[in-house]
Amino acid sequence: GENVEQHPSTLSVQEGDSAVIKCTYSDSASNYFPWYKQELGKGPQLIIDIRSNVGEKKDQRIAVTLNKTAKHFSLHITETQPEDSAVYFCAAKATSGTYKYIFGTGTRLKVLA
Amino acid sequence: GAGVSQSPSNKVTEKGKDVELRCDPISGHTALYWYRQSLGQGLEFLIYFQGNSAPDKSGLPSDRFSAERTGGSVSTLTIQRTQQEDSAVYLCASSFSVSSDRRTQNTIYFGEGSWLTVV
Repeated sequence: GENVEQHPSTLSVQEGDSAVIKCTYSDSASNYFPWYKQELGKGPQLIIDIRSNVGEKKDQRIAVTLNKTAKHFSLHITETQPEDSAVYFCAAKATSGTYKYIFGTGTRLKVLA
Repeated sequence: GAGVSQSPSNKVTEKGKDVELRCDPISGHTALYWYRQSLGQGLEFLIYFQGNSAPDKSGLPSDRFSAERTGGSVSTLTIQRTQQEDSAVYLCASSFSVSSDRRTQNTIYFGEGSWLTVV
């Protein structure tokens, strides 16, 4: 079945450094890729998403890149801050024939002050 | 409401008891999902409702789990005869319906979750 692999499972960076989280998907029909941030005790919140007709999208310190040929996409956080510490989930979904989002297993990011 | 609302936020129950978890989606959202998140794990799909269509129950882990959605809005997830392995966060999410031409992708928005502990 479809699955999404996410790496690393944990990531520690110094404040101000960049963080990169990578995901690989198996379903070639996937064409929508959201990223969620989950803070302790809260539900996941959408932070950025990308569609397959775009290779890169940026929103302030957050960017996502997509390589459809290789079936992987990445989240980039620059100038990390302590409040970026959270668990990040990637997801993949096909436009047609399914409404299911397949989630990665999450990355726990710690930004060290 | 402004967001997806779930209740209770925390529930501790004894093994063997039944529990009900409630989800109130964002107003106007016709699609509703339930996911389960075990400690330190990813998000496991449980069930999906879309309007008046038959729900997709393919993710429910056993027949002890059931869900309904009344009036196309509020949903209740019921777990009968709870077991310790049912301990997890149960997340509800909602979105607008997928467009008929399926070219519009609708983002799903999650609630805060219901933290269930079975002792």
